[in-house]
Amino acid sequence: DTGVSQDPRHKITKRGQNVTFRCDPISEHNRLYWYRQTLGQGPEFLTYFQNEAQLEKSRLLSDRFSAERPKGSFSTLEIQRTEQGDSAMYLCASSLISRTSSYGYTFGSGTRLTVV
Amino acid sequence: RKEVEQDPGPFNVPEGATVAFNCTYSNSASQSFFWYRQDCRKEPKLLMSVYSSGNEDGRFTAQLNRASQYISLLIRDSKLSDSATYLCVVIFNAGNMLTFGGGTRLMVKP
Repeated sequence: DTGVSQDPRHKITKRGQNVTFRCDPISEHNRLYWYRQTLGQGPEFLTYFQNEAQLEKSRLLSDRFSAERPKGSFSTLEIQRTEQGDSAMYLCASSLISRTSSYGYTFGSGTRLTVV
Repeated sequence: RKEVEQDPGPFNVPEGATVAFNCTYSNSASQSFFWYRQDCRKEPKLLMSVYSSGNEDGRFTAQLNRASQYISLLIRDSKLSDSATYLCVVIFNAGNMLTFGGGTRLMVKP
């Protein structure tokens, strides 16, 4: 598989439950990004990693949101105590960054979360 | 004010028509510019990069006006398969995070 994989594709959860999504980037990519997209809007940046380091997390929507990339490969995004407003598509992307260039910014198919 | 603004549309055009989308961005220090295409319930996919000199890829032409902080996309000879949402995207900083506009929906009709 040469693309960005996200799991699950769909998640329905009850309000107040915790959910965790997984993203497997393209293997040679060193950067991994999480975005959220609500209906009728463009994707909104949440956080990103370079290898295992989380370099930007101020855009995470609240302290209920957290992300990890423990070994610099796959990443997880967790939402605690879900609310109906968390219903959205959660997109992961990866890219390869060198000192001079950026390559191959690629999105996964997303995880669609519905909070009922 | 949003960092990247687009007319949400929808633009309803007949096959063969020429259609143009516009986008404005607020940060004058913006570094890179793109148009992405997103089909319904799918992920965004890169359509083309946008350069100050303008660039063309088949029926698609993109232009950037840094002085006016304005980006455009022109689609000639529209096809039914062009129906999608077109997202204007800007990179503001070295983190390479994409900042998206809200998207412009295009519907091409027979």
